[in-house]
Amino acid sequence: DAGVIQSPRHEVTEMGQEVTLRCKPISGHDYLFWYRQTMMRGLELLIYFNNNVPIDDSGMPEDRFSAKMPNASFSTLKIQPSEPRDSAVYFCASSLAQSVSTDTQYFGPGTRLTVL
Amino acid sequence: AQKVTQAQTEISVVEKEDVTLDCVYETRDTTYYLFWYKQPPSGELVFLIRRNSFDEQNEISGRYSWNFQKSTSSFNFTITASQVVDSAVYFCALSEADSGGSNYKLTFGKGTLLTVNP
Repeated sequence: DAGVIQSPRHEVTEMGQEVTLRCKPISGHDYLFWYRQTMMRGLELLIYFNNNVPIDDSGMPEDRFSAKMPNASFSTLKIQPSEPRDSAVYFCASSLAQSVSTDTQYFGPGTRLTVL
Repeated sequence: AQKVTQAQTEISVVEKEDVTLDCVYETRDTTYYLFWYKQPPSGELVFLIRRNSFDEQNEISGRYSWNFQKSTSSFNFTITASQVVDSAVYFCALSEADSGGSNYKLTFGKGTLLTVNP
């Protein structure tokens, strides 16, 4: 079985440009998560979805960030306009809903974003 | 508020030594979950273990073992007879219940960089 798939793996862009990161969760997983990893702040949860519906977006840093999940097999995280401080590794993760509480989150390989 | 503390920023050992990575957490939830993930130099995050708050039994998986103690709010990870391939950043994480009562919101510690030298 394929794991979580993210694209692109690396992205270099200039300040002010729009950036779109993509994620395909593990087939059958009900939950999808977007995280950001930086040296200063570590791993932070940005937003997560259950059955394509955003549940908690309190970690989204500001209005320049938006995330969508149009179907069960695809999600995007968009930054518009991008700024140098957005440079980070962005991870997508997915998990299978359980009848009780939680299940393990499996992570994709990450997208390393550099904004010049 | 919820917090995960990994006090050891970096640890360096020689191959075959045993090493323990510490994790201390704070939560007001009565039901919670603890995790360890490994991030090797290649950058991906690899799941190692999940433990719920009602199960304090220690777990052993090969050279890996975990010691969960609710009384001290700790979930420590020991690698026995370390190997060079164990070199990675190790993250401890704690789940938090959302408004619906599901524990899907993970809070990660800052990580411990383990270097195993030959």
